[in-house]
Amino acid sequence: GAVVSQHPSWVICKSGTSVKIECRSLDFQATTMFWYRQFPKQSLMLMATSNEGSKATYEQGVEKDKFLINHASLTLSTLTVTSAHPEDSSFYICSARRASGRGLPFTDTQYFGPGTRLTVL
Amino acid sequence: AQKITQTQPGMFVQEKEAVTLDCTYDTSDQSYGLFWYKQPSSGEMIFLIYQGSYDEQNATEGRYSLNFQKARKSANLVISASQLGDSAMYFCAMRERSPFNKFYFGSGTKLNVKP
Repeated sequence: GAVVSQHPSWVICKSGTSVKIECRSLDFQATTMFWYRQFPKQSLMLMATSNEGSKATYEQGVEKDKFLINHASLTLSTLTVTSAHPEDSSFYICSARRASGRGLPFTDTQYFGPGTRLTVL
Repeated sequence: AQKITQTQPGMFVQEKEAVTLDCTYDTSDQSYGLFWYKQPSSGEMIFLIYQGSYDEQNATEGRYSLNFQKARKSANLVISASQLGDSAMYFCAMRERSPFNKFYFGSGTKLNVKP
């Protein structure tokens, strides 16, 4: 299957600092990448959709200025948690959308990165 | 309304037996895709199987098969010959045709395979 990497796999930072998380599709080009947040024993919550070369689309309730997303190339999207606070501690997972080749976007599969565990002290 | 419903928070199955994980969905689109993912304790989401709304046959991938019943709007995952390594969270997901092809996840089912 397709490979998506995420870096770092875990990070601990002090309150008030910013943290950048990278998401890369290693063997395919992804015009669309997604950022999710997952709390323990819960499902994934979509934070934003990242489109290459354009602004990200944020879900309702997600602060754009706090979670900065940049999708500068077809293989890289970054999420920066600015001025992190303990309540931002969570598991962040990115995914990259791979075209199925059928010409039908709803058939595209999303491949996920391994996730980044963020702990803010 | 919830787009994806997984009614089994936890399931137990004996090793080597088959198990069915339930998933129902809600959409008014005629065109949509259904997906199952596995999330082991490591946290990585692993794609297992895909079923398109227009696919006439049920999808199969090795020991995984998807029991797709369109009229009932269900897309149950069947794992045959369970293995200890199958113990994980399993998420059902759907992508609609519109708007923006958003991806919806269910709440997940925790599968425990007993030796």
